[in-house]
Amino acid sequence: KAGVTQTPRYLIKTRGQQVTLSCSPISGHRSVSWYQQTPGQGLQFLFEYFSETQRNKGNFPGRFSGRQFSNSRSEMNVSTLELGDSALYLCASSHDGQPNQPQHFGDGTRLSIL
Amino acid sequence: QKEVEQNSGPLSVPEGAIASLNCTYSDRGSQSFFWYRQYSGKSPELIMSIYSNGDKEDGRFTAQLNKASQYVSLLIRDSQPSDSATYLCAVSNNDMRFGAGTRLTVKP
Repeated sequence: KAGVTQTPRYLIKTRGQQVTLSCSPISGHRSVSWYQQTPGQGLQFLFEYFSETQRNKGNFPGRFSGRQFSNSRSEMNVSTLELGDSALYLCASSHDGQPNQPQHFGDGTRLSIL
Repeated sequence: QKEVEQNSGPLSVPEGAIASLNCTYSDRGSQSFFWYRQYSGKSPELIMSIYSNGDKEDGRFTAQLNKASQYVSLLIRDSQPSDSATYLCAVSNNDMRFGAGTRLTVKP
């Protein structure tokens, strides 16, 4: 069974630009969560999508947004990029996002802002 | 107070020793608890899950949960150099929250 697939693996952008990251969950998984990981802050929850609806949201500004498609694939968009947005962005999927279900992570997209 | 706190480490143990990793959480409604291992440059990988008070063993790994004390731990017996990684504690209620991680080094 294929794992969680994130594209692209690496991105370099400049301040003010916007970026879209993609995540394909494990087949059959309908919940997709996004995290930002930085050395200083660790893994921080961005949002979770289930059945094309955002179900939970972390404490990030509105520049961070996402969506989920009918095939459960998800995209995350960051607008007006700032230097502080440089991070590893991880996507994780689970069957239906219930608290008792572990999440399975993709390899991440490393975003660098110049 | 952070929602999920882990001993910051780094933790260094000799090969063959027991490594003990600790985690406390603030949300009393938390239902599920997970330990992830993250090698440098890689994504987190699930190694243990625990849902009820007590111990849960899986090979060399034992997870311990005490909901009254809001405490969860991971013991690694017979530690190997390949266990050297950052260990993340994750606590789930409506969403999953992670600790900052404890970096473990197992020295040959």
